[in-house]
Amino acid sequence: AQTVTQSQPEMSVQEAETVTLSCTYDTSENNYYLFWYKQPPSRQMILVIRQEAYKQQNATENRFSVNFQKAAKSFSLKISDSQLGDTAMYFCAYNNNDMRFGAGTRLTVKP
Amino acid sequence: DGGITQSPKYLFRKEGQNVTLSCEQNLNHDAMYWYRQDPGQGLRLIYYSQIVNDFQKGDIAEGYSVSREKKESFPLTVTSAQKNPTAFYLCASSMGGFTDTQYFGPGTRLTVL
Repeated sequence: AQTVTQSQPEMSVQEAETVTLSCTYDTSENNYYLFWYKQPPSRQMILVIRQEAYKQQNATENRFSVNFQKAAKSFSLKISDSQLGDTAMYFCAYNNNDMRFGAGTRLTVKP
Repeated sequence: DGGITQSPKYLFRKEGQNVTLSCEQNLNHDAMYWYRQDPGQGLRLIYYSQIVNDFQKGDIAEGYSVSREKKESFPLTVTSAQKNPTAFYLCASSMGGFTDTQYFGPGTRLTVL
């Protein structure tokens, strides 16, 4: 079964700084999808960014971008110009007809 | 407004009782999912349905049951057979199957007294 590993249980960053959250996954498939979801204290899961494995170009959404390294099975999330509202749990997920989530990284943005 | 609603937000149950969690979506999505979230863990799939009147077990289906009589609704029943039901439950939906992006409801916190 595919597994998703987030090796950083907790991270913190100063407001306006940049932070990178790590994610690795295990799969033997060639085509799949990767996601980052944000879960703020309200516990609503919010889609941050999506990457399709067959696309070499890294996905970006405003201040959020990914570094997708298919050969290394790595999918890190970079948050630029961190804001207080970015404080949340961040979950990496792998999807190929079987959605798998990592255990999450708790990010705290400090003023 | 299009979206996914879950009710109630908080639910308390006595041991030995069955309880049903509601999930409704007006996104016209075909697929719906139920996940369980425990502290320190990611989401784990309980059940999913890709079409009305059909559903499949996920990784942790034991002690749970679902129905999909309408496209918009996918209720989850936590039965007395579920040994440790206290958790946060999230419902999601997607346009088609698993490869489509899943969108989540606000969740239900179930506590067994």
